[in-house]
Amino acid sequence: EPEVTQTPSHQVTQMGQEVILRCVPISNHLYFYWYRQILGQKVEFLVSFYNNEISEKSEIFDDQFSVERPDGSNFTLKIRSTKLEDSAMYFCASSSRTGNTEAFFGQGTRLTVV
Amino acid sequence: DQQVKQNSPSLSVQEGRISILNCDYTNSMFDYFLWYKKYPAEGPTFLISISSIKDKNEDGRFTVFLNKSAKHLSLHIVPSQPGDSAVYFCAARRSGTYKYIFGTGTRLKVLA
Repeated sequence: EPEVTQTPSHQVTQMGQEVILRCVPISNHLYFYWYRQILGQKVEFLVSFYNNEISEKSEIFDDQFSVERPDGSNFTLKIRSTKLEDSAMYFCASSSRTGNTEAFFGQGTRLTVV
Repeated sequence: DQQVKQNSPSLSVQEGRISILNCDYTNSMFDYFLWYKKYPAEGPTFLISISSIKDKNEDGRFTVFLNKSAKHLSLHIVPSQPGDSAVYFCAARRSGTYKYIFGTGTRLKVLA
């Protein structure tokens, strides 16, 4: 069964450093998303991406964040200068279309900023 | 921004019995609702969804009910199995947007 894969599973970084979280969405999907879940809190939307551009973003997704689809398979989330409060599980998701359809999530990357 | 609420943080049910998980929302513009299951250290797994034009959708042991006037949806699992023990999230989306808004989750424990 096709799945969304994310690497690494766990990333520890020093405050102020840049991190790149990587995702390989399901191959025939066109819509890509990043969500995050801070420990003990709900899953929060960060950004959606379609046709090589951001289609929607939340207030959380400020200038420190960027997304890219550098080739035909990878989808990345970059945090330029990490803060302690960026520590969270980051989930990548993809869907085949917009409209009434579900998104499929990866297993997540646990980011720990120290 | 509590647009989607799951007021029960946890629920315990005996194996074989019905599990009922509830979700309330405040935004009448939501038109698509989903339930996801999540195990520790894994991503959310899609379970079942419902469009706002329906009031019920069934898939095997899982049934989702939508009451638009009450802005309430529920997930019924019958019969419950120990493998159903997980955190269940409801999510909602408004037409014309891309984002799903998640509730805070309900931890279901099915007792053998």
